[in-house]
Amino acid sequence: DVVMTQSPLSLPVTLGQPASISCRSSQSLVYSDGNTYLNWFHQRPGQSPRRLIYKVSNRDSGVPDRFSGSGSGTDFTLKISRVAAEDIGVFYCMQGTHWPPYTFGQGTKLEI
Amino acid sequence: QVQLVESGGGVVQPGRSLRLSCTASGFTFSSFGMNWVRQAPGKELEWVAVIAYDGSQQWYADSVRGRFTISRDNYENTLSLQMNSLRAEDTAVYYCVKSAAGSFDYWGQGTLVTVSS
Repeated sequence: DVVMTQSPLSLPVTLGQPASISCRSSQSLVYSDGNTYLNWFHQRPGQSPRRLIYKVSNRDSGVPDRFSGSGSGTDFTLKISRVAAEDIGVFYCMQGTHWPPYTFGQGTKLEI
Repeated sequence: QVQLVESGGGVVQPGRSLRLSCTASGFTFSSFGMNWVRQAPGKELEWVAVIAYDGSQQWYADSVRGRFTISRDNYENTLSLQMNSLRAEDTAVYYCVKSAAGSFDYWGQGTLVTVSS
């Protein structure tokens, strides 16, 4: 199984300041079709997860452009250019290349 | 818009069974794979099972294989999870999740399953 490792697990931030979360996979996430199926999700307290980013860097509809994803192979990053109050919660990376099983990172808790 | 509404959660004793359901709307249900993903209290997300768009294939996490069965009814737009031989470690919120090429694009609100004597 592919192990997804996020860091940090807790991220104290200041409103308006940037933030960055790292996600590393135990093997390359490049699929045979050339795509890299690395996703980012955000879960606010008491809510379901919501997808933010798919295939490394593609933002979902309605996701603010302050969120950006980057990386390749086994190393990926989610960046928030200016943290907003509604960004509190937990961010998860997830790989959809080598399944089953689909695997998630441990989650990074954003705290303001 | 896409809606996924889970039901069937509750409190159940260890060793007993429970069946979860998910009613889908707002998309062509029969065209997409569907998943169950769970989250134990205060823990990270764990993928449980996926079923192909036509129900022809199913895959399971090692932790539930042989105990859980995922199924779907493309006429009723429903997804199900039959959970047998439940254990305390199966206690979690169970989410119904729509597949999208190497990803999960829509999640339900979840239903809580508590396994306790």
